[in-house]
Amino acid sequence: DGGITQSPKYLFRKEGQNVTLSCEQNLNHDAMYWYRQDPGQGLRLIYYSQIVNDFQKGDIAEGYSVSREKKESFPLTVTSAQKNPTAFYLCASSIDGTTEAFFGQGTRLTVV
Amino acid sequence: AQSVAQPEDQVKVAEGNPLTVKCTYSVSGNPYLFWYVQYPNRGLQFLLKYITGDNLVKGSYGFEAEFNKSQTSFHLKKPSALVSDSALYFCAGYSGGGADGLTFGKGTHLIIQP
Repeated sequence: DGGITQSPKYLFRKEGQNVTLSCEQNLNHDAMYWYRQDPGQGLRLIYYSQIVNDFQKGDIAEGYSVSREKKESFPLTVTSAQKNPTAFYLCASSIDGTTEAFFGQGTRLTVV
Repeated sequence: AQSVAQPEDQVKVAEGNPLTVKCTYSVSGNPYLFWYVQYPNRGLQFLLKYITGDNLVKGSYGFEAEFNKSQTSFHLKKPSALVSDSALYFCAGYSGGGADGLTFGKGTHLIIQP
């Protein structure tokens, strides 16, 4: 099956801990994206990567970090510096950054 | 800078009636525009796109959208609404080169009343 896989589906974190969200795609897409979704605010871009070993900050990158060491993988780390990390996180990919993006099923992160 | 706006938080339509969900955009260069649908606690599903060519584009589940360059709009339409169309709809766009990522509107809740 081709697609984008996010794991885990639900994640709980204690305050002060870093946590990493996984995103893997087997679509052979160059571009990958991380978004945060909060009620009433739509999707806000955290980081994106147009190609392996390169990535750019989106609109709300503070408190987050990413890596793109492999084409198929784009993990997102939510650090303790992120003041309000409880949200629904969505990963997406597209062929080359100008075509439609395909989304994973999301990870719901809750800080307890 | 690029931006996409959805002026309505919610749209209510009776089943069987036509529906329109509005979107306006502000991008540099040629716009690449998309519509997505989201069901509760799920990822987004691609519905349709405008890259170039005909201003009326057709997509999945009977949806279509009309690109209007003079009004910088890309409204989503369907001739006859179904209750199952009830969901959260997002408009999105790139600027021509895609260098700024894919920007989304805030979403519109579409409610189809039986």
